[in-house]
Amino acid sequence: DAGVTQSPTHLIKTRGQQVTLRCSPKSGHDTVSWYQQALGQGPQFIFQYYEEEERQRGNFPDRFSGHQFPNYSSELNVNALLLGDSALYLCASSLRGITEAFFGQGTRLTVV
Amino acid sequence: AQSVSQHNHHVILSEAASLELGCNYSYGGTVNLFWYVQYPGQHLQLLLKYFSGDPLVKGIKGFEAEFIKSKFSFNLRKPSVQWSDTAEYFCAVNAPRDDKIIFGKGTRLHILP
Repeated sequence: DAGVTQSPTHLIKTRGQQVTLRCSPKSGHDTVSWYQQALGQGPQFIFQYYEEEERQRGNFPDRFSGHQFPNYSSELNVNALLLGDSALYLCASSLRGITEAFFGQGTRLTVV
Repeated sequence: AQSVSQHNHHVILSEAASLELGCNYSYGGTVNLFWYVQYPGQHLQLLLKYFSGDPLVKGIKGFEAEFIKSKFSFNLRKPSVQWSDTAEYFCAVNAPRDDKIIFGKGTRLHILP
């Protein structure tokens, strides 16, 4: 049973560019959440998708957007990258109504 | 707003020592509480969780945590640590029916062999 998978594992982008990160949830899960983990910090909630809609959003600007597909997989898009967007981006999946979340290994984004 | 505070950023212990990692949260209502662990090079894993009932919760690998509502605390304990417990530990909270999990900044635990 595959867990949560994320791609790519590492990414280097230039300021001002756009990036797309991908996540496949654990088998049987229908809800995907995205978190940003800056160096030395705990993960911070970006947003959550369920039934292909954004259900809740954390304190992140509109440059951060997402999408969920019919197969429950999800993308995180970040536009106009800033140096401060450099972080580990974590995807977590869960079953709607069940709080326990399973995390992927993350995508390490470096903005130069 | 909810927040989580972890008292120690970095803890160094010898094998067989006892462990207690402090966690306090700020939230006025009912909460779900978690401890996650991130071993070097691995993904975040759930160590244990508290939703309701017995405030003493047992998790994997001999870890336990005690929810003390009056102190807004959920400290993690292990009577005798092993070298393999070297990892980063995150305390987290979420309100029932809320989608987001709020994490503390984490505690890096280093066990000396």
